Amino acid sequence: EVQVVESGGGLVQPGGSLRVSCAGSGFSFKTYGMSWVRQAPGKGLEWVSHISDSGYSTYYADSVKGRFTISRDNSKNTLYLQMNNLRAEDTAVYYCAKKRGTSGVYFDYWGQGTLVTVSS
Amino acid sequence: AIQLTQSPSSLSASVGDRVTITCRASQGIYSALAWYQQKPGKAPNLLIYYASSLESGVPSRFSGSGSGTDFTLTISSLQPEDFATYYCQHFNNFPLTFGGGTRVDIK
Repeated sequence: EVQVVESGGGLVQPGGSLRVSCAGSGFSFKTYGMSWVRQAPGKGLEWVSHISDSGYSTYYADSVKGRFTISRDNSKNTLYLQMNNLRAEDTAVYYCAKKRGTSGVYFDYWGQGTLVTVSS
Repeated sequence: AIQLTQSPSSLSASVGDRVTITCRASQGIYSALAWYQQKPGKAPNLLIYYASSLESGVPSRFSGSGSGTDFTLTISSLQPEDFATYYCQHFNNFPLTFGGGTRVDIK
């Protein structure tokens, strides 16, 4: 059974840092690109970042570019999102999502999400 | 960045109704569009990809159409479990974007 499970969310002060993780299982993790998608409370979905299967290529939304870094460790089947200089508007549930296939970046498996709250 | 505009933002419908949701892209995206269903407190679930391909396990009452800038998601006969919020997402290029969502409520 394919599973992606996020962890590491929590409360952080504005300007602080946090790293969230996503563990994949039940599929060949190193074969698929992965993304982070977030959802602020009561709001819609916002794509945050994507990393290719090898980790060589990364992409970011303008709203997080220069502050967030996506990475992966294929030996540990784990995806990461390092978030620095956090702002109140970064408060959201952060979902890890698996790219469905070899072409087109859309997502067939999502985790349950991890809540990041930025507040003093 | 490509903007996706969904309409309506919400609708009320009855079980058995035919429901159509529209997603308009700010520029042409060929058929690079996916649709998701999200229920409260849950992660999104993929319904349709490449505008009209039905994801495995998704009921056949869901269908998608369109190309270029105008797309639709149709539920042919609304079921109780279909009351949810629906999002479109383009994957023509980066940055990826989602539509604002369409909430489908019980009438």
